[in-house]
Amino acid sequence: NAGVTQTPKFQVLKTGQSMTLQCAQDMNHEYMSWYRQDPGMGLRLIHYSVGAGITDQGEVPNGYNVSRSTTEDFPLRLLSAAPSQTSVYFCASKGGSLPYEQYFGPGTRLTVT
Amino acid sequence: GQQLNQSPQSMFIQEGEDVSMNCTSSSIFNTWLWYKQDPGEGPVLLIALYKAGELTSNGRLTAQFGITRKDSFLNISASIPSDVGIYFCAGRGTSYGKLTFGQGTILTVHP
Repeated sequence: NAGVTQTPKFQVLKTGQSMTLQCAQDMNHEYMSWYRQDPGMGLRLIHYSVGAGITDQGEVPNGYNVSRSTTEDFPLRLLSAAPSQTSVYFCASKGGSLPYEQYFGPGTRLTVT
Repeated sequence: GQQLNQSPQSMFIQEGEDVSMNCTSSSIFNTWLWYKQDPGEGPVLLIALYKAGELTSNGRLTAQFGITRKDSFLNISASIPSDVGIYFCAGRGTSYGKLTFGQGTILTVHP
């Protein structure tokens, strides 16, 4: 198993540009989520999905869109990047046998200038 | 929303020393998790706690689910240089799967 994979690892955007952060897992986990990590603030939940076709907002959803067309993939879209979205983004998934123990990808470091 | 206060924010210790850190919440949590993050990597789960009063060990790590369900503690015994990293607590309230994270404790271990 590759676990949770994220691409790209680094990205620089100009204000107003759009992009998609990719996340995939090969563990057949139903639950997937996106977090952002900022210094001194821990990880904050952006969006999550409890299964294909189902998504919901987390703590800081503004400026981000998600979709879940398959169990494996959960992309995060920035429609119009802003400097406030400069952060490290982590995707996570969890399976049924250990329902509350999320497994994280390696992260995408995004800089918006 | 729910908030977690994690302390201390940072620790500088000598190799071989024991380490303690804790998280407190203004509201009750049903699950407590402890993660470690190495530089440039995603957090990795260390210990999961599911019942108030539960004490669980993972090697040199021991964590406890506070009896009030509003706090949790992590202890690391006989620290070694590879313990360096950021330690996060996370709690789950009543919402399925949604975790609230503490701000993290940055641990530095001097050889």
